[in-house]
Amino acid sequence: AQSVTQPDIHITVSEGASLELRCNYSYGATPYLFWYVQSPGQGLQLLLKYFSGDTLVQGIKGFEAEFKRSQSSFNLRKPSVHWSDAAEYFCAVGSMDSNYQLIWGAGTKLIIKP
Amino acid sequence: NAGVTQTPKFQVLKTGQSMTLQCAQDMNHNSMYWYRQDPGMGRRLIYYSASEGTTDKGEVPNGYNVSRLNKREFSLRLESAAPSQTSVYFCASSATVNYGYTFGSGTRLTVV
Repeated sequence: AQSVTQPDIHITVSEGASLELRCNYSYGATPYLFWYVQSPGQGLQLLLKYFSGDTLVQGIKGFEAEFKRSQSSFNLRKPSVHWSDAAEYFCAVGSMDSNYQLIWGAGTKLIIKP
Repeated sequence: NAGVTQTPKFQVLKTGQSMTLQCAQDMNHNSMYWYRQDPGMGRRLIYYSASEGTTDKGEVPNGYNVSRLNKREFSLRLESAAPSQTSVYFCASSATVNYGYTFGSGTRLTVV
């Protein structure tokens, strides 16, 4: 079955510390992978996406993610978090064969300690 | 600001009532989608419209209908609301799947 797993419901990090949010997927076709962020009261915003090529992709707001096919993972990283990064982060997977249907993870809520 | 606009933001219905959630985008996107998100679960696709004039079922279409009124607007209708439809509903649009989605800010629906 196709699925996306974000194992951490909540993560708390100190401001200035590094961050890694995990995403694992199970998908039959060649995956397109996405990370989105949702700040309180806001709609989802696309952080970055991977379709092919370089497995390390850069996104907005200083985020990056690495696609590891052997581990079926697409983890999101940031070297130093800011208080404004507190939000909920969603991983999603789709493909050209998926007829526009993305499969979504349940989300990880990021809490920043001052 | 360009984006996806959903109305209303909050709604409480009694079981059996009907309502329509409205969605409009001003980015000239071809594709539009309705999702629901429930606690502890990834958001699930209800219906989508790959282009103006077409609609298709997603993962959880039962109890819902949609209308792609024009390129800008895609509405979701609950004909007879049930408590199981209590959820947060998100509308989204995209040029194609390659470019990711732009989401609205959501509608929190409670059916009592």
